[in-house]
Amino acid sequence: QVQLQESGPGLVKPSETLSLTCTVSGFSVSNDFYWGWIRQSPRKGLEWIASIYHTGATSYNPSLKGRVTMSIDTSTNQFSLNLRSVTAADTAVYFCARVDVVVVVGAGHFDYWGQGALVTVSS
Amino acid sequence: EIVLTQSPGTLSLSPGDRATLSCRASQSVNSNYLSWYQQKPGQAPRLLMYVASLRATGTPDRFSGSGSGTDFTLTISRLEPEDFAVYYCQQYGSSPETFGQGTKVEIK
Repeated sequence: QVQLQESGPGLVKPSETLSLTCTVSGFSVSNDFYWGWIRQSPRKGLEWIASIYHTGATSYNPSLKGRVTMSIDTSTNQFSLNLRSVTAADTAVYFCARVDVVVVVGAGHFDYWGQGALVTVSS
Repeated sequence: EIVLTQSPGTLSLSPGDRATLSCRASQSVNSNYLSWYQQKPGQAPRLLMYVASLRATGTPDRFSGSGSGTDFTLTISRLEPEDFAVYYCQQYGSSPETFGQGTKVEIK
């Protein structure tokens, strides 16, 4: 059974970097799926942030204006998110998920999700 | 990016009723790459349907999806108590993937 678990600080100061890690169990991140981050806030609802393949190939939501970086570590079966220069608008529940990507499109649906991690941006 | 508009915002129904949820896209969704999710309070969304009409593993057959182009529908034939939740549509026919704002199905 595929399981994902987010971890990281629950509180980040404005202008700093939000860093989250997703640990995958029951399935290798090196298999033929992408891995992604989605966030949910009352203001913006569900928003796809970024996705990554085990080769390191990434896809980012243009709305985040270059503030996002994803990485993947196949030796620990984890992938990570860094979101720079955060503001209160980045306060949300952050989910990691497995992405079943349609390669020709470069987008996909999310078939397994972590439970979510609340990250609050506040001084 | 494609904007998805879901209606109604809230659906008040009784167990055993039929529920019809709508998702309209601002432009045509490539190859019907549209999925539906169910979310209960404090939980992550759960994939129900993909490619508009294919059930995900574990999705009961009382759930069905239909539509093409810009208009899609999720139908729950007979509501069970565990079906009262918020439902979201998501398109992945073009990048970036986008979600609708959700329809809440509540007990009348």
